[in-house]
This record gives sequence, structure tokens and C-alpha cells, in this order.
Amino acid sequence: GNSVTQMEGPVTLSEEAFLTINCTYTATGYPSLFWYVQYPGEGLQLLLKATKADDKGSNKGFEATYRKETTSFHLEKGSVQVSDSAVYFCALSNYQLIWGAGTKLIIKP
Amino acid sequence: NAGVTQTPKFQVLKTGQSMTLQCAQDMNHNSMYWYRQDPGMGLRLIYYSASEGTTDKGEVPNGYNVSRLNKREFSLRLESAAPSQTSVYFCASSDHGTTADTQYFGPGTRLTVL
Repeated sequence: GNSVTQMEGPVTLSEEAFLTINCTYTATGYPSLFWYVQYPGEGLQLLLKATKADDKGSNKGFEATYRKETTSFHLEKGSVQVSDSAVYFCALSNYQLIWGAGTKLIIKP
Repeated sequence: NAGVTQTPKFQVLKTGQSMTLQCAQDMNHNSMYWYRQDPGMGLRLIYYSASEGTTDKGEVPNGYNVSRLNKREFSLRLESAAPSQTSVYFCASSDHGTTADTQYFGPGTRLTVL
């Protein structure tokens, strides 16, 4: 079946630190992969996505590469800001979205 | 352009009461979804509607019913609320419901069942 596993949080970093949030998946076929972000008190919004192997999604300084050989879609950012504090969800789509449990990110000034 | 709107924002029910959560989108999307979000579990799909006039069960449909009233509106009904239905409920929509589609989310309804 389809499933998504992402690293447990919370992840606490200082401002300007490098961020990696790991995401691995199992899936049949050729899913699309997504990162969504949920800011406090809000709904989820798309951060980035990749629709085929070796694609790189990027937005707001965040990047993730669709790695079919390692079944991974790790989220990275070179220098985080306090405003990046949120919960990040990895998801795969095989006609329905399958979600990871979410990783809470806390950035301290 | 409001995107996806949900009402109410907060609700407290007693066990056995019923209520309907409302959702509307103004993006002319074909597909709409209802999720629940529980701590440490990500989002779980309750029901979805691939297009106007169709609805299908998701991962956790028990205790819920839905109505796709028209292309814009998709409501979720709890007929007899139970404490296990305490959760945050999100409505979402997407253009065609295909694999690569982005889903757009409403702000959520926080429901507590006592």
C-alpha cells in the first residue's frame, strides 16, 4: 500500500541554521509528492511539489528532490527564519493524498 | 476571491447531538474533500467528491455523511456526535482531482464533543 513516513518533531533550530526534514514513502505506480505547511491557527497550504522522479520542487527558499531510488523527498532550506516556524507535512498522491504525521518546526531568534 | 471557506470555526457539542459543517469554494474546482486532523496522525480523508453529483468514502467515513450541494458547496454531517469525533476538520478542493493536483484548504473547524 501507500504510506508516508516523516521525521518526528518538534525540530528546534536557531535562526539562519540549515534545515532538513526527512520524508520517505512507499507507493505503487508513479505518485506525485508534496510538502504542505500549516502556520499556527491556519489551514494547510502547498509549499512545493514534484510530479516525477528527479524533479526538484522549490518555493520560498525551500527545496525537495523526488528520489525514486531511495523513495525519499526530503525538505531542505539553507537558512531558516523565525517566520518559518510551522508544521510541515509530506504527502504523496496516487489519486488520493496520503499524509505523513507532520513535523513541527520551531525557529528561535 | 475567498478560496475555501468553512463555517463554523469552533463548535462544542454534547454526545448524541447532530450538526453540519459547511464548506464552499469559489475557484470553480471540480473536486472537494473533507479531512480530519488529529494530533500525531496527519490528515485522514473522511469523504470526497470527485465531481458535482458524486461522493465517495475515504479512509474514515464511519459516523459521517456528506452532501455535494452544487459545484461550490460540500457539507459534512455528524448525525450523532461521539467524543471520538473531537478533532479539527478541514475542507479542501482541487481542480480535477488528478495525481498532480494541488489541494487548497479552508481554515478548519475545531470541534469538541463532550
